[in-house]
Amino acid sequence: QAQLQQWGAGLLKPSETLALTCAVYGGSFSAYYWSWIRQSPGKGLEYIGEIDPSGTTKYNPSLRSRLTISVDASRNQFSLNLISVTAGDTGVYYCARIYRVGANGWLDSWGQGTLVTVSS
Amino acid sequence: DIVMTQSPDSLAVSLGERATISCKSSQSVFYPSNNNNYLAWYQQKPGQAPNLLIYWASTRESGVPDRFSGSGSGTDFTLTISNLQAEDVAVYYCHQYYSVPRTFGQGTKLEIK
Repeated sequence: QAQLQQWGAGLLKPSETLALTCAVYGGSFSAYYWSWIRQSPGKGLEYIGEIDPSGTTKYNPSLRSRLTISVDASRNQFSLNLISVTAGDTGVYYCARIYRVGANGWLDSWGQGTLVTVSS
Repeated sequence: DIVMTQSPDSLAVSLGERATISCKSSQSVFYPSNNNNYLAWYQQKPGQAPNLLIYWASTRESGVPDRFSGSGSGTDFTLTISNLQAEDVAVYYCHQYYSVPRTFGQGTKLEIK
């Protein structure tokens, strides 16, 4: 089972950029897809997007205009950047591994979560 | 987007009894070409990340106790927890991975009666 460790700034002001990175330890990084999920009291669990080791991405349409997910396969890491944050982006952000069959799959390993608060 | 709706929102069950959680999708998550339902279940305990229980609607993840079982097809799914234990107190979520954006149910909070 892979271990996912994530980090990034937890307190942001409105209009700033949310930046998180997730490092993967154990398992084969190139054999899986990787995802970001967030959780807030108002919206529950929300899919942000996913990336494969070659850098091909899929994004939630509701976030696409502000979102970039990138990968550094040489470091077994992937990252999330969300620009122009508002209070509505407050929540716990998780990175996760997708155990995929074909183009789709379930989330079988999760990071520990990062609480991100957007407040002036 | 596929909307996932769970019921009930909360549930209290006595130790040793059975808990049943329903999940309905707004469209089918069954893929005929491989005869699989693209539906997973997760358990989340306070302060922790969600933990995978079930995938393909009914396949138990390695290490998950066999008192957890999943069933259903198409748009209607059920998670059953038999012989409820104290450590099963958690919030349970269904999740469709059939299409993007992937979506989750709103969660069902399970407590001990």
